[in-house]
Amino acid sequence: KQEVTQIPAALSVPEGENLVLNCSFTDSAIYNLQWFRQDPGKGLTSLLLIQSSQREQTSGRLNASLDKSSGRSTLYIAASQPGDSATYLCAPWGNNAGNMLTFGGGTRLMVKP
Amino acid sequence: NAGVTQTPKFRVLKTGQSMTLLCAQDMNHEYMYWYRQDPGMGLRLIHYSVGEGTTAKGEVPDGYNVSRLKKQNFLLGLESAAPSQTSVYFCASRESGRARNEQFFGPGTRLTVL
Repeated sequence: KQEVTQIPAALSVPEGENLVLNCSFTDSAIYNLQWFRQDPGKGLTSLLLIQSSQREQTSGRLNASLDKSSGRSTLYIAASQPGDSATYLCAPWGNNAGNMLTFGGGTRLMVKP
Repeated sequence: NAGVTQTPKFRVLKTGQSMTLLCAQDMNHEYMYWYRQDPGMGLRLIHYSVGEGTTAKGEVPDGYNVSRLKKQNFLLGLESAAPSQTSVYFCASRESGRARNEQFFGPGTRLTVL
């Protein structure tokens, strides 16, 4: 059974800092890996999808890397802003029918002005 | 496109009552999913469907039933609600067969069972 761990569980930083959020997973036979953002009381917004054949993916100030063999993914946020405050969730896709997602507990990020 | 929508947004039930949560997507996606999110437990998959007329169990299927009679709709039913089913329920969908296709989530249904 896939298990996903996200470190740190919570993070508070001043505006402008560069951040690294970590995700580790136990089963490296994944199909893809997706990073999401969740604002309080809201649904999940997809940030980045990394295919199993890729090592990284970039969108604006976000960069996500994937190392399948070691079971790790990293989300890098450059020049953080107060609007980045949210919970960030990592979810590797199962390599099976339906490609089910297994979620980590998330990293709760607060960026202070 | 409205994307993925969920009905209702909030609901309070008494123990033993039944209800159906509706998920609808207008993106012609093949795959649809139901998750529940609980504090300290994260998001867990309840049931999923890989196409119209098909359903399969996820990680926590007990106490729930689902139906996918139309491609755009995925229904989640609680036949006899229990307090342990108090949670936030999220529906998601995606296209099949392409590695680049992300899962898109609905806004959630907050359910309280008294």
